[in-house]
Amino acid sequence: EVQLLESGGGLVQPGGSLRLSCAASGFTFSTYVMTWGRQAPGKGLEWVSAILAGGGGTYYADSVKGRFTISRDDSKNTVYLQMNSLRAEDTAVYYCARGSSENTYVWFDPWGQGTLVTVSS
Amino acid sequence: QSALTQPRSVSGSPGQSVTISCTGTSSDVGGSNYISWYQHHPGKAPKMMIYDVSKRPSGVPDRFSGSKSGNTASLTISGLQAEDEADYHCCSYAGRYYMVFGGGTKLTVL
Repeated sequence: EVQLLESGGGLVQPGGSLRLSCAASGFTFSTYVMTWGRQAPGKGLEWVSAILAGGGGTYYADSVKGRFTISRDDSKNTVYLQMNSLRAEDTAVYYCARGSSENTYVWFDPWGQGTLVTVSS
Repeated sequence: QSALTQPRSVSGSPGQSVTISCTGTSSDVGGSNYISWYQHHPGKAPKMMIYDVSKRPSGVPDRFSGSKSGNTASLTISGLQAEDEADYHCCSYAGRYYMVFGGGTKLTVL
């Protein structure tokens, strides 16, 4: 069974940093794009970032570009999201999702259950 | 890139059909065959119900169908069941490795 399990969320002050992790199992992790999305309170889902198989390319939503960094460790079947210079508007449940192939992410399946990030003083 | 437009809420009685719309522009929905829909029960992982406009993943009931006309995509759920009550989100490829979601629609089964 394909599973994704996020961790690392919590409460952080504005301007602070946090690193999220997503541990994958049940599929050949190294051959898929991995992505992060989020859902702020009362809002819809938002695509945040993607990393191609083999780390061949990284992509970001405009709202996080320059502040967030996605990375992956294929030896640990884990994808990370380093979040710096956090703002109140980054408060959301963050989800990890598998992309559609090794170099595309035109759909997302499956998703993890999410980890909550709260940015507040 | 702006979020796609979905109705905030829709409702229907058991056994009825409902359609959820998702409106974008020629830069995303209108110009893409990569439209997907996700069912999200609060507190759980979102689940893909439709991909590539109208394809169903294995295990998704054929009561769920997707279509597109111009800049608007649609998700139709026929034979509504109580367990269909959830939030539904559309998503489109918007070019240059960018993906855009809609604001989500809350489906209430009366």
